[in-house]
Amino acid sequence: NAGVTQTPKFQVLKTGQSMTLQCAQDMNHNSMYWYRQDPGMGLRLIYYSASEGTTDKGEVPNGYNVSRLNKREFSLRLESAAPSQTSVYFCASSTLGILYFGPGTRLTVT
Amino acid sequence: AQSVTQPDIHITVSEGASLELRCNYSYGATPYLFWYVQSPGQGLQLLLKYFSGDTLVQGIKGFEAEFKRSQSSFNLRKPSVHWSDAAEYFCAVLNQAGTALIFGKGTTLSVSS
Repeated sequence: NAGVTQTPKFQVLKTGQSMTLQCAQDMNHNSMYWYRQDPGMGLRLIYYSASEGTTDKGEVPNGYNVSRLNKREFSLRLESAAPSQTSVYFCASSTLGILYFGPGTRLTVT
Repeated sequence: AQSVTQPDIHITVSEGASLELRCNYSYGATPYLFWYVQSPGQGLQLLLKYFSGDTLVQGIKGFEAEFKRSQSSFNLRKPSVHWSDAAEYFCAVLNQAGTALIFGKGTTLSVSS
C-alpha cells in the first residue's frame, strides 16, 4: 500500500517548456487534489477532482490543466511554464474530509 | 470568504517546554478543522482533526487541540516538546462546499536544546 505517489520528485524547466506531473493513489479515494506550496503562502489549491470524470478549479488555476485519467490517477499539466510556477507541488487524495498527501514535486522554472 | 489565520510565522521552544500554536478561522457554520505537520522535505501528515463532539481532541505524537467556537480558534498544544517536533505546522478548515481544505500559511517550529 503505497498511498499517494508523485513523479518526478524534482524537475527543472526553461520558460515556455511544458510538462506533466503525475499522481496516483491506491486507497480507492474518490477525491483528488493538486496544491502548490510557496514560502510564506501555505498551500493553495490549484485544481481538484471530486470523482472520476470531473474536475474543478481551485484558488490558483491559471496556467495549469488537469486530467483525471481514472479513479487512481490525477495529472497536472503546465503548457507553457513561467518562473512564477516555481514551487513545490503536492497531490492529495481524500476520504471523509481527511487529505492524504504525496511526497511532492519540486519544480524550478528558469 | 473562509480563511485560516496562523498569527505566528516562526516559534522557538526549548526542548521539554510546552508548546501552543495558534489558529483562527473564519467560517459561518460548524467547521471541520485539521492540523497537519510537515517535516523538512516531506509531505504533510495529519496530526488531528475536529468534526464534532468533545472540543478537546487528541492526535498523534502527543499533540492535542481545543476547539473554541466563541474565539473561532483551534490551537494546537503539546505539554513537552521533543527535538523531533521541529517542523512546519499547518491549520486547515474544510471549505463550505465540503470539497477541499483551506490552509493557513503555516508556523515553523524550531526546538532549541
